[in-house]
Amino acid sequence: GAVVSQHPSWVICKSGTSVKIECRSLDFQATTMFWYRQFPKQSLMLMATSNEGSKATYEQGVEKDKFLINHASLTLSTLTVTSAHPEDSSFYICSAPMQGMRETQYFGPGTRLLVL
Amino acid sequence: DQQVKQNSPSLSVQEGRISILNCDYTNSMFDYFLWYKKYPAEGPTFLISISSIKDKNEDGRFTVFLNKSAKHLSLHIVPSQPGDSAVYFCAASVQGGSEKLVFGKGTKLTVNP
Repeated sequence: GAVVSQHPSWVICKSGTSVKIECRSLDFQATTMFWYRQFPKQSLMLMATSNEGSKATYEQGVEKDKFLINHASLTLSTLTVTSAHPEDSSFYICSAPMQGMRETQYFGPGTRLLVL
Repeated sequence: DQQVKQNSPSLSVQEGRISILNCDYTNSMFDYFLWYKKYPAEGPTFLISISSIKDKNEDGRFTVFLNKSAKHLSLHIVPSQPGDSAVYFCAASVQGGSEKLVFGKGTKLTVNP
């Protein structure tokens, strides 16, 4: 079946540094990818929609300058957390819908970010 | 404003019995509903879905029921198995809404042997 990968699976960084998370669709092309964040015991909150070849669309309350998204190709989207702070520590998950199959949105395994 | 609500944070069921997970929504524009299963430190995996033109969809041990008038859906698992123990998320989307999903907070299901 279709697979979405994320790298790294976990990262620990110092406050003030930037962290890049990659999301790849391994066997299908994705013109759109979604980035979510999940805090403990909370829902998956959509942060932004990554669009191949155009700017990302951010949800209300998400700082576009802090969470930089680049959809470099039809199989790769990156999320960069700039100047990370401890409150950015969370579980970040990407997903990619297979084109034409609305019910099929594949999720990556997630990236655990801990900012010290 | 929580558009998709899962009011039970946890559910414990005996192996072999039925598990019923509930989900309510407030946005009448939602026309497609999905259930995802999630293990700790992993991404969600798709389980079953239902379109608003239907009131029931069945796939093996999993059945989803939709009551549009009540804006309520439920996931039935029967018989429940210990391997079903996970967090179950209800999600909804709007047709033409670029496939964005709105998730509930999840219900942690524990199936006891």
